[in-house]
Amino acid sequence: AQTVTQSQPEMSVQEAETVTLSCTYDTSESDYYLFWYKQPPSRQMILVIRQEAYKQQNATENRFSVNFQKAAKSFSLKISDSQLGDAAMYFCAYRSAAGKSTFGDGTTLTVKP
Amino acid sequence: SAVISQKPSRDICQRGTSLTIQCQVDSQVTMMFWYRQQPGQSLTLIATANQGSEATYESGFVIDKFPISRPNLTFSTLTVSNMSPEDSSIYLCSVAGLAGVLEQFFGPGTRLTVL
Repeated sequence: AQTVTQSQPEMSVQEAETVTLSCTYDTSESDYYLFWYKQPPSRQMILVIRQEAYKQQNATENRFSVNFQKAAKSFSLKISDSQLGDAAMYFCAYRSAAGKSTFGDGTTLTVKP
Repeated sequence: SAVISQKPSRDICQRGTSLTIQCQVDSQVTMMFWYRQQPGQSLTLIATANQGSEATYESGFVIDKFPISRPNLTFSTLTVSNMSPEDSSIYLCSVAGLAGVLEQFFGPGTRLTVL
């Protein structure tokens, strides 16, 4: 079974600074997908960024980028120029080719003005 | 993307009763999931709702306690039966399998409190 580990229960960043959230996973599959989801206090989960395992290039979405290290099974999220609206709980997720997802325990990000 | 609605958004129920949560999607999707989430914690998959057949339950969840229906590709229900205070949680509907789209989409959740 796949496991996803987020080792940072809480993180804090100053507004306009950069923060990195860590995620590691364990799998024996070669074909899979990785995601970062954001859940603000209003609780609806939304996608932040996705990465296909077969792609070597790290995904980037505006201020959000990932550092995908397939051999190390690591998938960290970097948030640049942090904004107050980035405050939320962030979940790392692994999705197998069969479609079932496994979520990490989440990291609560606080953005200080 | 997919827009998901859930009804009710919240409810307070008495011990021993049952509540049915509805999930409606604005697009046909191949996969629908039901999760449970305690506030501030991760998501726990209850089951995968299968259209036209019995749902696939995860370890620790059984059909008698959480019966699920999925009559078509856009709608599913989850019933929490014979509720106890331990069932108090947020229940999330999620979908996947839109054509050309990899990620899952999540509903706004149903906050259930059992007294």
